[in-house]
Amino acid sequence: QKEVEQNSGPLSVPEGAIASLNCTYSDRVSQSFFWYRQYSGKSPELIMSIYSNGDKEDGRFTAQLNKASQYVSLLIRDSQPSDSATYLCAVMGAGGTSYGKLTFGQGTILTVHP
Amino acid sequence: GAGVSQSPSNKVTEKGKDVELRCDPISGHTALYWYRQRLGQGLEFLIYFQGNSAPDKSGLPSDRFSAERTGESVSTLTIQRTQQEDSAVYLCASSSRQGNQPQHFGDGTRLSIL
Repeated sequence: QKEVEQNSGPLSVPEGAIASLNCTYSDRVSQSFFWYRQYSGKSPELIMSIYSNGDKEDGRFTAQLNKASQYVSLLIRDSQPSDSATYLCAVMGAGGTSYGKLTFGQGTILTVHP
Repeated sequence: GAGVSQSPSNKVTEKGKDVELRCDPISGHTALYWYRQRLGQGLEFLIYFQGNSAPDKSGLPSDRFSAERTGESVSTLTIQRTQQEDSAVYLCASSSRQGNQPQHFGDGTRLSIL
């Protein structure tokens, strides 16, 4: 089982719709979770961080975390063509020498079509 | 500068040569991380530094890879006797301290081994 798994995609949504990106992780003691956006040929850009169960909203983005289910998601409301990118879920190690180390999922490619 | 700076942005070299990749973290960031991203794949953790120390070198692919950091600032990743499978984008990230703080990435060095 992969440590961090994302819905493989690609995901295609019409402009103005809600895009839903999902991620599960295997390390139950993980405490910190991040979503990055990566445009083709560019480096990852931090979108959201979430540490507690529940929802966290920032503009059109909402991150959701359920530690009991080991599940984290990202919702993008009113999707725009400029949101088209690969979205990376990253989970931070919780203890020992893993503390601070990010493990990334393979990414979900999102395309928002006009 | 305001962000993580990496140099060179592109490097093309012949198989068997040594290469040095440089990373300048965000000023004041004590934690520094190196990742590798092969074409079409996810990010692979290589090594991180807290200050000038590297507590976790477990991600380094082989003994041809080494890294150092001096002055709690600049870090250098060295690959000796390069092989074609070393071709990838090498990404550096920094955070304000080790732990649950978000990591911010540089633009990467695209390494091509002929």
